[in-house]
Amino acid sequence: DTAVSQTPKYLVTQMGNDKSIKCEQNLGHDTMYWYKQDSKKFLKIMFSYNNKELIINETVPNRFSPKSPDKAHLNLHINSLELGDSAVYFCASSHSGTNEKLFFGSGTQLSVL
Amino acid sequence: QQQVKQSPQSLIVQKGGISIINCAYENTAFDYFPWYQQFPGKGPALLIAIRPDVSEKKEGRFTISFNKSAKQFSLHIMDSQPGDSATYFCAASTIGNQFYFGTGTSLTVIP
Repeated sequence: DTAVSQTPKYLVTQMGNDKSIKCEQNLGHDTMYWYKQDSKKFLKIMFSYNNKELIINETVPNRFSPKSPDKAHLNLHINSLELGDSAVYFCASSHSGTNEKLFFGSGTQLSVL
Repeated sequence: QQQVKQSPQSLIVQKGGISIINCAYENTAFDYFPWYQQFPGKGPALLIAIRPDVSEKKEGRFTISFNKSAKQFSLHIMDSQPGDSATYFCAASTIGNQFYFGTGTSLTVIP
């Protein structure tokens, strides 16, 4: 069973479009994250949710909006896509209060043309 | 500001050799220091981790050395194998689950 699953695996789209990436975890974790990995492999935190509440919101354009319908899901919606948004986006989850074992999904490769 | 500094950016090692990756941090509130391994097309996966109350942790061929006073920690891969070729990230976190990652090291082990 996949612990943290995200869809789609690949996303190719035109500039200006709106797209969403979905993430689900079956680990019973209460904290979920979105990370962005650029072409140089640098991993940067974008958002963190704990029990459906936003707890970390790094400096990210407001075109990016996370949505957590329940603690097992954290989706990422991106409006008005730009060329610079091209990257790999990773969802991750962990137990709160223990700061251990961040589990990552397999990533969504977003290419904006 | 980079909370965790990692070096080298890339590393080439002969099969059977020792791979060493170094990281440094400033924030003394960090109390958990994991290393993640990432293969192409996959998400990072936890490899080994240490807390600052010990100076070394070993799991198989992988060892973390931790120097609290110098605020440095390193990953040693003994008897490096081609299957170890991957990108390695050090990280540091606080009790509030804020994880900070290093910039990554691309390791290539030559047969």
